[in-house]
Amino acid sequence: QKEVEQDPGPLSVPEGAIVSLNCTYSNSAFQYFMWYRQYSRKGPELLMYTYSSGNKEDGRFTAQVDKSSKYISLFIRDSQPSDSATYLCAMSAGTGRRALTFGSGTRLQVQP
Amino acid sequence: DTGVSQDPRHKITKRGQNVTFRCDPISEHNRLYWYRQTLGQGPEFLTYFQNEAQLEKSRLLSDRFSAERPKGSFSTLEIQRTEQGDSAMYLCASSPGAGVTYEQYFGPGTRLTVT
Repeated sequence: QKEVEQDPGPLSVPEGAIVSLNCTYSNSAFQYFMWYRQYSRKGPELLMYTYSSGNKEDGRFTAQVDKSSKYISLFIRDSQPSDSATYLCAMSAGTGRRALTFGSGTRLQVQP
Repeated sequence: DTGVSQDPRHKITKRGQNVTFRCDPISEHNRLYWYRQTLGQGPEFLTYFQNEAQLEKSRLLSDRFSAERPKGSFSTLEIQRTEQGDSAMYLCASSPGAGVTYEQYFGPGTRLTVT
């Protein structure tokens, strides 16, 4: 079983919809959480970075972390066709160890 | 452009050949990482440098792989005697050295095809 699980999709939504993307993880030591967006054949782009539990909002994006359930979410409001990409969650236990553990990514398609 | 840069962007090589990739991190970032990504998967960690010191290595980094960061600036990743299983996107990332921060900023990647 992978340390980080993510539904591969594809997830198809109409333009303007609210999108919910999720990851579950098994390592309770994870405390730093990130969401990346990756367009086809490009490098991942950092969208959101959060520490421990709670919510963080940045424009149309909201990241939620529930450490008690080992569950993180990314919400995208007013989705646009340009949001069509693969979304990767990533996490780190910190404590000096720098390697990120990634989910396998969820492919999102926003239909115009 | 002040982001992470990687060269080449694409490399096609025959099995058994050696290849070398270069990464230039964001200036002032003293931490540098290498990852490998195959189709449909997330990036997998290979190795990490703080300045010129290689501090972490994954079990994925077999003895055919070697990474260097000789002056604490750019880094190279060499794969010797390439195999078809080495075909992947090789990603470089960097992060600031100051403070307690774990986010990483990725470059565009080098896509390797071994024929």
